[in-house]
Amino acid sequence: AQTVTQSQPEMSVQEAETVTLSCTYDTSESDYYLFWYKQPPSRQMILVIRQEAYKQQNATENRFSVNFQKAAKSFSLKISDSQLGDAAMYFCAYRDMNYGGSQGNLIFGKGTKLSVKP
Amino acid sequence: NAGVTQTPKFQVLKTGQSMTLQCAQDMNHEYMSWYRQDPGMGLRLIHYSVGAGITDQGEVPNGYNVSRSTTEDFPLRLLSAAPSQTSVYFCASHSVNTEAFFGQGTRLTVV
Repeated sequence: AQTVTQSQPEMSVQEAETVTLSCTYDTSESDYYLFWYKQPPSRQMILVIRQEAYKQQNATENRFSVNFQKAAKSFSLKISDSQLGDAAMYFCAYRDMNYGGSQGNLIFGKGTKLSVKP
Repeated sequence: NAGVTQTPKFQVLKTGQSMTLQCAQDMNHEYMSWYRQDPGMGLRLIHYSVGAGITDQGEVPNGYNVSRSTTEDFPLRLLSAAPSQTSVYFCASHSVNTEAFFGQGTRLTVV
């Protein structure tokens, strides 16, 4: 069964600095999606970034970028120029690309709580 | 563009009571699911559906029922609430090539 591990329960970063959140996963599949979701205090789950495993290029969305290492099964999130609004819980998630039944389910890590200091 | 609509936002139940959490999506997604979120546990899958008339159990299904009579709706029923079901619940939907879209969450307290 696939698993997702976030080894940092909590992280802290100074405003305007850069922080990297770690995520590793385990799968025997070759085609899959990886996601980072942000959950601010409002509780809403917000997609930050998504990566298709077949794409060699790392995904980027403005200040957010990933370091996707397929062989190492690693998917870290880098937040540049951190802002107070980045303070949230961040979840890494995995989903098989081969669709059908339980393969379509999202598998989440336990989350990393990010604090941003002014 | 409503996306995933989940109600209610908050609910307090007494032990033994039943209730239904509503979830509706307007994106024609075939896949819908229910998660519960507990501190330090991430999001755990309760039940999911791959299309109308098809449901299956996830990781933590005990004490919950679901049905999927239409593509749009996927209600979650608590049959006899227990304090262990105190949690935050999320409904989500997605299609083959999309990310998951989430409802706003329901904070449920069982006393």
